Amino acid sequence: AQSVTQLDSHVSVSEGTPVLLRCNYSSSYSPSLFWYVQHPNKGLQLLLKYTSAATLVKGINGFEAEFKKSETSFHLTKPSAHMSDAAEYFCVVSVPSGNTPLVFGKGTRLSVIA
Amino acid sequence: KAGVTQTPRYLIKTRGQQVTLSCSPISGHRSVSWYQQTPGQGLQFLFEYFSETQRNKGNFPGRFSGRQFSNSRSEMNVSTLELGDSALYLCASRLNGFEQYFGPGTRLTVT
Repeated sequence: AQSVTQLDSHVSVSEGTPVLLRCNYSSSYSPSLFWYVQHPNKGLQLLLKYTSAATLVKGINGFEAEFKKSETSFHLTKPSAHMSDAAEYFCVVSVPSGNTPLVFGKGTRLSVIA
Repeated sequence: KAGVTQTPRYLIKTRGQQVTLSCSPISGHRSVSWYQQTPGQGLQFLFEYFSETQRNKGNFPGRFSGRQFSNSRSEMNVSTLELGDSALYLCASRLNGFEQYFGPGTRLTVT
């Protein structure tokens, strides 16, 4: 079975400072991992994905994440936060076959202070 | 390509009524999944359809049902609505890979 733990329910950063959103996963198989972002009253948008290729994954809007198997982690980072980054972020795990449901973390709300 | 569309975007129903939500996937996508999002439970998987067949089902009561048509459009139905069914219902489609593309959701309020 797969599970995801997002270690922080809320993260607050100042504009222009780095962002770190933490995610640990548990999977019986080599997982596929994703980060999605949800702006208020919007659906989820895929930020980036890891599917057993390069361990450092680059996504949209300057975000990236590193897959660390030894630490079972997939933390999301961005060098410099922008006001428009304020949103809810979800870490998601799936098995490689792709034919099973995605498993979502509880989400991390990112606030960006001017 | 147009994204995933969901109708209606907002809905208000009374306890005991039933509701049908619609989802049109990205053109060419044959898989459609439904999720319920609430502040307390987060995002929970309802079911997935692929080529008109239910492929996976989450842990929800039988009041929640769905179907998929030959053009891949999908509907979900909730009968005998309860206050706890108030939620954002998200639909997602995918082609063959693992990533899913989400619609904007339908906000259901049960009074």
